[in-house]
Amino acid sequence: AQSVSQHNHHVILSEAASLELGCNYSYGGTVNLFWYVQYPGQHLQLLLKYFSGDPLVKGIKGFEAEFIKSKFSFNLRKPSVQWSDTAEYFCAVNGKGGGNKLTFGTGTQLKVEL
Amino acid sequence: DTAVSQTPKYLVTQMGNDKSIKCEQNLGHDTMYWYKQDSKKFLKIMFSYNNKELIINETVPNRFSPKSPDKAHLNLHINSLELGDSAVYFCASSQGQSNQPQHFGDGTRLSIL
Repeated sequence: AQSVSQHNHHVILSEAASLELGCNYSYGGTVNLFWYVQYPGQHLQLLLKYFSGDPLVKGIKGFEAEFIKSKFSFNLRKPSVQWSDTAEYFCAVNGKGGGNKLTFGTGTQLKVEL
Repeated sequence: DTAVSQTPKYLVTQMGNDKSIKCEQNLGHDTMYWYKQDSKKFLKIMFSYNNKELIINETVPNRFSPKSPDKAHLNLHINSLELGDSAVYFCASSQGQSNQPQHFGDGTRLSIL
């Protein structure tokens, strides 16, 4: 079975601070990895994804994530956050060959203060 | 144009009632999903259909019955609603089972009184 852990449940940052949100997964085979963002009252939107190739992936709005296979991690980063980045961030994984069953982490609530 | 649309957006009803949530996607995708997001924002897949065929059926009470009349629609019917069914239900779609990203609807907030 696949599982995802997000250790930071609530993060509060000031504008222009750097962000790193942790994500670790558990799965016995090859995985596809995703970060989704949910702005208040809205649906989930895809930030970025990793399928294969370069382990450093860049997404929308200046976000990036690095897949470290040896650590089973896929941490999300942004060099300088903005107030508009306030949202809930979800890491998700699906195992290749297992259909498109996404398993989500419990989410990280990010609040950016002015 | 809304890619994945759900109706209704809000649903308030009493315990024991039967209700349906509808989902439609205009992305031409052939796979659709239902997720449940609880009060702690935890998202869990419930069902998935590919070309009208059920392919994922997680441990969900029999009171929940999905129906896919065609590949652009996936409805969710819930019988005998219980307090624990209160949640936000998200529909999503993707192209095939090739692990493509899923596109989500705006959610249906179901509140059981």
